[in-house]
Amino acid sequence: QKEVEQDPGPLSVPEGAIVSLNCTYSNSAFQYFMWYRQYSRKGPELLMYTYSSGNKEDGRFTAQVDKSSKYISLFIRDSQPSDSATYLCAMSVQDSGTYKYIFGTGTRLKVLA
Amino acid sequence: KAGVTQTPRYLIKTRGQQVTLSCSPISGHRSVSWYQQTPGQGLQFLFEYFSETQRNKGNFPGRFSGRQFSNSRSEMNVSTLELGDSALYLCASSSRGHPGTQYFGPGTRLLVL
Repeated sequence: QKEVEQDPGPLSVPEGAIVSLNCTYSNSAFQYFMWYRQYSRKGPELLMYTYSSGNKEDGRFTAQVDKSSKYISLFIRDSQPSDSATYLCAMSVQDSGTYKYIFGTGTRLKVLA
Repeated sequence: KAGVTQTPRYLIKTRGQQVTLSCSPISGHRSVSWYQQTPGQGLQFLFEYFSETQRNKGNFPGRFSGRQFSNSRSEMNVSTLELGDSALYLCASSSRGHPGTQYFGPGTRLLVL
């Protein structure tokens, strides 16, 4: 079983829809939870970062962490065609003085105009 | 603040050659990690450097090596290139202030013929 599971999609939604992207994980020691957006042929861009259970909002984006269920989500409100990209979840945990990062495989999102 | 920069952005090499990729982290960031990204395998961790010392290493053959300089800039070298080394190589940096997060560069796209 992978430490982090993420549905690869693709996920197609109409413009203006609310998008829900999800990841599950198995390691309860994970401390930090991140969402990255990656456009085609570009490097991943850090969108959201949190370390506690609950919701964190930034503009149209809301990151949700449920540590008891080992489940994280990213919600995108009023989705735009420019949101079309691959979304990667990532988690990290301190390990022997450094941080170990585990990434999901990414969900491809297409927002249709 | 300038982001993570990587050079070159694109490279074409032939089997058996070697290649050196360069990464300059965000100013003040002392940790630099390298990843290989391919469509089939996703993001795979290569190694991490902190203050010129390798702190972590992924499961890649010894043909993959790296180093970090006193100004935190890092280089990655791949010797005896194989076709399967064609990938997007990403560098990420992180700071002591946000130790659980990483910021990625645009990547170097390597094509091995």
